[in-house]
Amino acid sequence: DQQVKQNSPSLSVQEGRISILNCDYTNSMFDYFLWYKKYPAEGPTFLISISSIKDKNEDGRFTVFLNKSAKHLSLHIVPSQPGDSAVYFCAASSYNQGGKLIFGQGTELSVKP
Amino acid sequence: EADIYQTPRYLVIGTGKKITLECSQTMGHDKMYWYQQDPGMELHLIHYSYGVNSTEKGDLSSESTVSRIRTEHFPLTLESARPSHTSQYLCASSEGLNYGYTFGSGTRLTVV
Repeated sequence: DQQVKQNSPSLSVQEGRISILNCDYTNSMFDYFLWYKKYPAEGPTFLISISSIKDKNEDGRFTVFLNKSAKHLSLHIVPSQPGDSAVYFCAASSYNQGGKLIFGQGTELSVKP
Repeated sequence: EADIYQTPRYLVIGTGKKITLECSQTMGHDKMYWYQQDPGMELHLIHYSYGVNSTEKGDLSSESTVSRIRTEHFPLTLESARPSHTSQYLCASSEGLNYGYTFGSGTRLTVV
């Protein structure tokens, strides 16, 4: 049973517009959520995180929103740039369950000039 | 600059060979992890370690084994490689529970 789901395998956005990547989870014990960016043949790099006690965290062009009642989080990138084109992974963990990160399947973002 | 190093980056090997994928980190992290990822799929945890001489299997069953004799070193070994082992293997470390991970660049393994 997949605990973290990214239902959109791909997303295409025009440069300068907003990119919204979505993630759903099923485990109510998750208390820490992260987004990673990954290029082919490279390891994931950390983008932004949010604790379950917050509903929003912002870092430059990147904002993560958390809706605990809906068990949903989203990553907003604005404005989108061609260099943002990559696969984005949502991840979640629970301190009480060992703190190991559980990843979604990823969404491939393509930002077109 | 990467603080966690994986070698080799790419490996093509014949069926039945024994291989060891290397992973080293310089951050002094106690917690280290191995994930396996196929294209278009999520990262699956196959092994983790919370310190020296501590290793556990992850959520995805794997025929590989790991060891943690030194804090900085967490190698993964396949005794007899098979084509089904073809995948990308990612090593990571973290400062503590519920901390983000720092990933290495990965090893792309192809077994022919």
